[in-house]
Amino acid sequence: NAGVMQNPRHLVRRRGQEARLRCSPMKGHSHVYWYRQLPEEGLKFMVYLQKENIIDESGMPKERFSAEFPKEGPSILRIQQVVRGDSAAYFCASSPPGGEVTGELFFGEGSRLTVL
Amino acid sequence: GENVEQHPSTLSVQEGDSAVIKCTYSDSASNYFPWYKQELGKRPQLIIDIRSNVGEKKDQRIAVTLNKTAKHFSLHITETQPEDSAVYFCAATGSYIPTFGRGTSLIVHP
Repeated sequence: NAGVMQNPRHLVRRRGQEARLRCSPMKGHSHVYWYRQLPEEGLKFMVYLQKENIIDESGMPKERFSAEFPKEGPSILRIQQVVRGDSAAYFCASSPPGGEVTGELFFGEGSRLTVL
Repeated sequence: GENVEQHPSTLSVQEGDSAVIKCTYSDSASNYFPWYKQELGKRPQLIIDIRSNVGEKKDQRIAVTLNKTAKHFSLHITETQPEDSAVYFCAATGSYIPTFGRGTSLIVHP
């Protein structure tokens, strides 16, 4: 059973460009979380999605950031017009179906975004 | 929303010593408390967890305690080994969103 797959693992963008990060959850998992990790900091919640539905995006900046989890295909975190402050590791995690998180989150290896 | 404080930020011990990491949380509705270990450049991985109906849980050299009244929980690692060196994160989960502490960098010196 493949784990949570994220790509790309490393992404370099210039200021003003767009970054697209993809996440395929574990087989059978229908819940996806995105977290951002800055050096020396913890994992900051960004958004929680189920298939075709954003459940909670309270941690995501109102501008330039968007996320989706379509019926088919991976979840995508999109950052438009990137700035240097967007440089971070972005982790995706998935969990099995359920109304609430009652168990373990399974993390991907992360996508490390560098903005020049 | 939930707020999780974690201490210390860095912990340096000699091989064979014990290590203790402490976390506090703010939302009394939180009922699930996992601990994750993240090695350098790797993904966070669950090492142990505890639910609010349990006060203590142990798995070999690792144990976690929970005090719901005081809203704090702790990770205990005994007989530390160099391979225990990593960043450890606590988390508190209430309404489906795990909130993480800032992490503790544990360094075990041989």
